[in-house]
Amino acid sequence: KQEVTQIPAALSVPEGENLVLNCSFTDSAIYNLQWFRQDPGKGLTSLLLIQSSQREQTSGRLNASLDKSSGRSTLYIAASQPGDSATYLCAVTSGTYKYIFGTGTRLKVLA
Amino acid sequence: DAGITQSPRHKVTETGTPVTLRCHQTENHRYMYWYRQDPGHGLRLIHYSYGVKDTDKGEVSDGYSVSRSKTEDFLLTLESATSSQTSVYFCAISESQGNNYGYTFGSGTRLTVV
Repeated sequence: KQEVTQIPAALSVPEGENLVLNCSFTDSAIYNLQWFRQDPGKGLTSLLLIQSSQREQTSGRLNASLDKSSGRSTLYIAASQPGDSATYLCAVTSGTYKYIFGTGTRLKVLA
Repeated sequence: DAGITQSPRHKVTETGTPVTLRCHQTENHRYMYWYRQDPGHGLRLIHYSYGVKDTDKGEVSDGYSVSRSKTEDFLLTLESATSSQTSVYFCAISESQGNNYGYTFGSGTRLTVV
């Protein structure tokens, strides 16, 4: 059974720092991995999707990497801003239409 | 979120009453999903649909049923609401199978069972 873990559960950093969020999964046979952002009381917004054949994806200040063999993905946020404060979730699918989600990392960027 | 609407946004209901949540999409996507989100558990799949009248159970389907009579609508029904079903419910859609698809989420329905 696929399990997704995100560590740390919470993180506080000063504005301007570069930071890395971690996601690990137990079954390396995935189709793709998706990173989401969730603001308090809101829905989930897709940030990046990495296909199983890809090593990384970039969007603006965000870069997500994928290492299937080790069951890990990282989300790198460059030059963090207070507006980046949110919960970040990763999710994986093994091609059965269904994503399995981690419990998220709650990020706070201090001005 | 553009293209996917959940209703109602908030609902308070009494234990034992039936409740139906609606997810409506304008993207003509084939796949639709219902998740619940609870502290400490993250998002867990309740039911999903892979086409009109084609549905299947997720990991936490007990006490829930779904229907999809049209491509654009996916209904989640709590047959007899219990306090353990107090949660935030999210609908998601995806366009296709294969490793290029991803989810788009609705804004959620906050359900309280008293």
